[in-house]
Amino acid sequence: DTAVSQTPKYLVTQMGNDKSIKCEQNLGHDTMYWYKQDSKKFLKIMFSYNNKELIINETVPNRFSPKSPDKAHLNLHINSLELGDSAVYFCASRRGAYNEQFFGPGTRLTVL
Amino acid sequence: DAKTTQPPSMDCAEGRAANLPCNHSTISGNEYVYWYRQIHSQGPQYIIHGLKNNETNEMASLIITEDRKSSTLILPHATLRDTAVYYCIAYYGGSQGNLIFGKGTKLSVKP
Repeated sequence: DTAVSQTPKYLVTQMGNDKSIKCEQNLGHDTMYWYKQDSKKFLKIMFSYNNKELIINETVPNRFSPKSPDKAHLNLHINSLELGDSAVYFCASRRGAYNEQFFGPGTRLTVL
Repeated sequence: DAKTTQPPSMDCAEGRAANLPCNHSTISGNEYVYWYRQIHSQGPQYIIHGLKNNETNEMASLIITEDRKSSTLILPHATLRDTAVYYCIAYYGGSQGNLIFGKGTKLSVKP
């Protein structure tokens, strides 16, 4: 069974569109994250959710909004997509404060 | 910014031990040293972490110097599948803890 899954794996879209990436974890973890890895391979945290509350929000444009319908899901909504949003987006989850994070396989977003 | 520095790349012969160094001279007393790796654009994979003592698990060993200013990740018998980018991260943890990824070390295991 896949611990952290993301859909879709690839997403190609036009500038200005609105899109969503879904993330689900079946590990019973209480904290979930979104990371962005750009073309230079730098991996940066975007958001984290703990018990359905946003507890970290880095300097991310407000076009990006995480939505958590329940503890097992953290979806990423992106409005008015821009060329610079092209990247690989990783979802992750963690149980407790000092345990390791488990990452999903990533979603490669290409904005044309 | 990442609080750790690592060599950009290393090579290792298959079957030999791979020793990946990491400097973290400004690490705080309550920050752990975590190691993750990323195999060819897959999601990062946790390897091991430690605070003060050396740690070993089924994947690797972590040696932390007594002053905690540096550490070494050891893959005892490297295989081709260990070719990846390895990240050393100083991580406070807690509800506000962030994993801050640096550039990592690209380890190439060669036959």
